Amino acid sequence: GESVGLHLPTLSVQEGDNSIINCAYSNSASDYFIWYKQESGKGPQFIIDIRSNMDKRQGQRVTVLLNKTVKHLSLQIAATQPGDSAVYFCAEKGDFGNEKLTFGTGTRLTIIP
Amino acid sequence: EAGVTQFPSHSVIEKGQTVTLRCDPISGHDNLYWYRRVMGKEIKFLLHFVKESKQDESGMPNNRFLAERTGGTYSTLKVQPAELEDSGVYFCASSQDRRSAAGYTFGSGTRLTVV
Repeated sequence: GESVGLHLPTLSVQEGDNSIINCAYSNSASDYFIWYKQESGKGPQFIIDIRSNMDKRQGQRVTVLLNKTVKHLSLQIAATQPGDSAVYFCAEKGDFGNEKLTFGTGTRLTIIP
Repeated sequence: EAGVTQFPSHSVIEKGQTVTLRCDPISGHDNLYWYRRVMGKEIKFLLHFVKESKQDESGMPNNRFLAERTGGTYSTLKVQPAELEDSGVYFCASSQDRRSAAGYTFGSGTRLTVV
């Protein structure tokens, strides 16, 4: 069935370093992907999205890369800060009329001071 | 602008009891979604309202779960009777633009523990 999964459940990064969180998806028809950040006691918070007609999209300190050939998605966070510590989820969103988000299991990112 | 509000934030109930979760979406958001995360697994879709109508309820696990959105404003999710496997965090989200996830706003969730 369709699934969106993550390669690593935990990741620890030294403050100031860059981090990369990876995600694999199985539905080759997927055309819209999103990264969410979830801090303790809060709901998922939108970080950045990308559509399948793009390979890369940049935000503030974050970059999402999409490789449709191998169905792989990654989130790069530059110059990590303590506030980046959270669980990160990739998700796929369906088309109009089938708009549910399909989430991966999440990666816990810990920034080491 | 107030965000998506969920109540209660935590609930502990005994197996067989009934629990009702409430979600107040952002004012003016026609779309309201329920999701849940069980036992640290992935967050899974439950259902989607457009105003007061159920657009997609394919994720509802069984008939012990009943969601309503009378008047197209707040929504309730009732679990009756609750089972142990219903424990988890229940999230509500709302949006106005169905095409973009950027406008999706999640609430902080209700942590449900069934003992």
